[in-house]
Amino acid sequence: QLHLQESGPGLVKPSETLSLTCTVSGDSVSSSSYYWAWVRQTPGRGLEWVGSVYQSGRTDYSPSLKSRLTMSVDTSKNQFSLKLNSVTAADTAVYYCASAMIVFGGAIAFDWGQGTLVTVSS
Amino acid sequence: DIVMTQSPDSLAVSVGERATINCKSSQSVLYSSNNKNYLAWFQQKPGQPPKLLIYWASTRESGVPDRFSGSGSGTDFTLTISSLQAEDVAVYYCQQYYNIPSWTFGQGTKVEIK
Repeated sequence: QLHLQESGPGLVKPSETLSLTCTVSGDSVSSSSYYWAWVRQTPGRGLEWVGSVYQSGRTDYSPSLKSRLTMSVDTSKNQFSLKLNSVTAADTAVYYCASAMIVFGGAIAFDWGQGTLVTVSS
Repeated sequence: DIVMTQSPDSLAVSVGERATINCKSSQSVLYSSNNKNYLAWFQQKPGQPPKLLIYWASTRESGVPDRFSGSGSGTDFTLTISSLQAEDVAVYYCQQYYNIPSWTFGQGTKVEIK
């Protein structure tokens, strides 16, 4: 079982960049058994996949966020990160990091971080 | 995108009674080459992250009580709590992982005690 922990500012101003980091313990972010995902949750939109990053550095982003999103992996710190620029109030959400275990071509979200609330407000 | 639709949005069940939640996907999540349904169920309690209960539509995650069961195939799935306990009060979500890396979730079903 992996342990994941999100960190980052809880308040971001409109038009600025939201930056979050997820620290992983229990396995390496370099493991080929997983890729690493961000999911956000709002009362209005529910649970929404934001994007995923692989140990190779390959990324996949939600089409609705692709133009503003950057994700990366830092193997030296066993972390992965998310940067979302030009934020608006609509980006206010609880952000979760999660592991996606790759099995039979699917990816099962066995482990999640506790989540961090990010509020976009001036 | 595969759209996941749950019903009902909420339900109230007496302790010890059965709770049934339905989930329908806009396209099949059954992969014919291995006959597996790429469908999971999660439980979320207030202030907590989603917790994986069931994957492959019917495989219980380790440590999940056997009163939780999943069934269905293709586009129609069911989560059943055979004898509802007070600690089962939560919101339940279905999720497809067929169309990876993009996960999509149902809108959630809130389960309460009657």
